[in-house]
Order: sequence, then structure tokens, then C-alpha cells
Amino acid sequence: KNEVEQSPQNLTAQEGEFITINCSYSVGISALHWLQQHPGGGIVSLFMLSSGKKKHGRLIATINIQEKHSSLHITASHPRDSAVYICAVFHGRWRDTGNQFYFGTGTSLTVIP
Amino acid sequence: NAGVTQTPKFQVLKTGQSMTLQCAQDMNHEYMSWYRQDPGMGLRLIHYSVGAGITDQGEVPNGYNVSRSTTEDFPLRLLSAAPSQTSVYFCASQPDYTALGSNVLTFGAGSRLTVL
Repeated sequence: KNEVEQSPQNLTAQEGEFITINCSYSVGISALHWLQQHPGGGIVSLFMLSSGKKKHGRLIATINIQEKHSSLHITASHPRDSAVYICAVFHGRWRDTGNQFYFGTGTSLTVIP
Repeated sequence: NAGVTQTPKFQVLKTGQSMTLQCAQDMNHEYMSWYRQDPGMGLRLIHYSVGAGITDQGEVPNGYNVSRSTTEDFPLRLLSAAPSQTSVYFCASQPDYTALGSNVLTFGAGSRLTVL
């Protein structure tokens, strides 16, 4: 069972293109995170969302709680955006049993110059 | 501010050996967790802790032990390594336990473990 589904799994884009990565989830959540992982590297958090939309530079993240769906957009993509983007949702309250993060398998983005 | 520090970065073990992956954070975070990352799968939770002295199992706890004697440290112990435990391991922390959370997860750099 996959509580978090991402699409597409792989994405190749030309530099400058507008990119969208989608995340759908099946559990009730209190927060959704978008993470970035560079090849061979660690994982950094890009956004934490519980509603609406957030923007940071060329990155925009949106969430629709009713539809259980989130999107990550990259405007004017650049080769340095090449990475794996991971959607993670937090289900439950910290001190309750069964609370945890669920992670998507990631979207591998390659931006070609 | 070092953030989350994981050691070692790389380790090769033989089947049956034991070892400890270290995780330390200097941000006074309450929540700490260990994940494993395998090809084609999302990060999977091994164990987590919501504070010193409190630990609980995640999705894939078998073969691993944890303890949280201090707020700063959350070591992951492999009791008797098996080839199925070959993976990349990540430690992560978050400031507090409030339900909605307004804070991001902070990850360590990862530890690549190979069990022969």
C-alpha cells in the first residue's frame, strides 16, 4: 500500500521550462513536506504546508486538503534544479501511537542546458 | 550550529556483525527519527522518539534497536547485520511535538551501509 503517490517518477526538461510535480495522499494529514535530494547527497526540506500555497524563489508549492493533493512547481528551471523531489506527509499527533511521516518514492528531475 | 550529524558516512559489515549508527543534533529538537532509503521505495521509518526516554517503533523496526538517553543523541543499533539491511540510513529531527507543526524536518547527511 502506498499512502503517498508521486507523479511523474522521472522527468526531463529543457532549461527554462516550467515544471510540475504532483503528490496525492490517502491518509489524513496535519502537514505536507516537499524535500529535495541531490545525487549522493543529503535531504533538505523545501516547504512545509498545511494549507494554501507557499513560494520561495522559483519554487511554488500548493496543497488542496479536500482533494488530498499537492503540487510542486519550478519556474524557469535550471540544471542545478536536477535532483530527486520527495513528497512527505505527516499523519497523526506526535505523542499518539501510529503517528509518522509517509514518503513518496520521489520524482527524479533532470534539467538539460 | 551543526544541525544533525550522522556517523559514519560509509560502513561495510559482514553478516552477523553488530554496529551503531550515531545521530546527534544540537538544536534541542524533541523529535528524532531513523529512516532507511532503498531503491524504488520511499523513505521508511525504523524508529522514532518524541523526547528523551521515549522511543517507539516505526514501519520496519526488526533488527534494529534505539535508545534516547539525552535530547541530543539517538543512536541506531544493528544487532546482527543481514544483507537485507544494506541501505542508506537517514536520521532526522524536528523541534517539537505539536500536531500541526510549523517546522521542517532536518536530515542528517546519510550513512551508506553495505552488509556482505
